Amino acid sequence: GESVGLHLPTLSVQEGDNSIINCAYSNSASDYFIWYKQESGKGPQFIIDIRSNMDKRQGQRVTVLLNKTVKHLSLQIAATQPGDSAVYFCAENTGRRALTFGSGTRLQVQP
Amino acid sequence: SQTIHQWPATLVQPVGSPLSLECTVEGTSNPNLYWYRQAAGRGLQLLFYSVGIGQISSEVPQNLSASRPQDRQFILSSKKLLLSDSGFYLCAWSNGQGQQPQHFGDGTRLSIL
Repeated sequence: GESVGLHLPTLSVQEGDNSIINCAYSNSASDYFIWYKQESGKGPQFIIDIRSNMDKRQGQRVTVLLNKTVKHLSLQIAATQPGDSAVYFCAENTGRRALTFGSGTRLQVQP
Repeated sequence: SQTIHQWPATLVQPVGSPLSLECTVEGTSNPNLYWYRQAAGRGLQLLFYSVGIGQISSEVPQNLSASRPQDRQFILSSKKLLLSDSGFYLCAWSNGQGQQPQHFGDGTRLSIL
């Protein structure tokens, strides 16, 4: 994925609001997508995944939307909490065994 | 349940010294294993992956090597570290069957002086 250096895109929301984190992918052959959450000093943690034969999938407080027409993926977090503050990465599987990761978005939750 | 362990958590090494980082997975058999590097404020760059014992695929030319001596053990090595090898190294595993997420360890922060 592209690198944005030390200046990650940042989304700042108020506690209790809904958050929407976006991701664009470039490979139309990608057929599997994952969202990860990474807290400072830790490894990425799996949140939710979606296959290309679906356009929406819901988990606990999270929803992933996939728009294959415009190659766009989004993660919606309902009732955002301070513990949701982290960097969020999307990842895509292009048919290889490994994933291709985006550059990440930092979510800051204001109390 | 499956768990993944990486050690050490942090490491400070002089330029030119060797490196060995270890990763082990428990609770699964014949996993796919991966080594990634993450520079500060950036995404993850795949370094190596393995689909079985002794099978290593390298993604980028570099100063590092990987080995898989046992089914659930993955080792990242270097004979002589460079300053540019500094970074956050992450090991991950996935089930080899179909589309499955990768699960990450908590990483090793490597600083080269």
